[in-house]
Amino acid sequence: KAGVTQTPRYLIKTRGQQVTLSCSPISGHRSVSWYQQTPGQGLQFLFEYFSETQRNKGNFPGRFSGRQFSNSRSEMNVSTLELGDSALYLCASSLGLSNQPQHFGDGTRLSIL
Amino acid sequence: GQQVMQIPQYQHVQEGEDFTTYCNSSTTLSNIQWYKQRPGGHPVFLIQLVKSGEVKKQKRLTFQFGEAKKNSSLHITATQTTDVGTYFCAGYSNSGYSTLTFGKGTMLLVSP
Repeated sequence: KAGVTQTPRYLIKTRGQQVTLSCSPISGHRSVSWYQQTPGQGLQFLFEYFSETQRNKGNFPGRFSGRQFSNSRSEMNVSTLELGDSALYLCASSLGLSNQPQHFGDGTRLSIL
Repeated sequence: GQQVMQIPQYQHVQEGEDFTTYCNSSTTLSNIQWYKQRPGGHPVFLIQLVKSGEVKKQKRLTFQFGEAKKNSSLHITATQTTDVGTYFCAGYSNSGYSTLTFGKGTMLLVSP
């Protein structure tokens, strides 16, 4: 069974630009969650999508948005990039039932110049 | 909101020594999960504890869930260099459907 696939693996952008990250979950998984990982803050929850609907949202500004498609693939968009957005963005999938383990992808390393 | 604290932030041991990381939640948890992230890698699910006072073992790793379901620990006996990485605890709160809140992790370095 293929794991969670995230593309691209690395991105370099400049301040003010926008970026779209993609995540393909494990086959059969209907929930996709996004996390931001930085050395100082650890893993911070961005949002979760289940059956194309945002089910939960973390404490991030509106510049961070996402969506999920009918095949459960998800995209995350960050607009008006800031230097502080430099981080590893991790996507995780699960079956979507409560209290399920998360299966993480390798992440997208985003660097803002 | 729910907070999960983890200590220590960092520990450096000699191979063969034991290691323990502790996790405390500000709220009662429905379950607690542990993940390991190798340097340059992504978090990998290790185990889930659900019952109050539960203890589970995986070879040299022992996981405990507190009686009040607000704390947990991971103990590694006789560490090996392959144990290097960051260990995260993460918990779902006890109130309805909630998100998984991660602790900031404990980075373990093992010297041969």
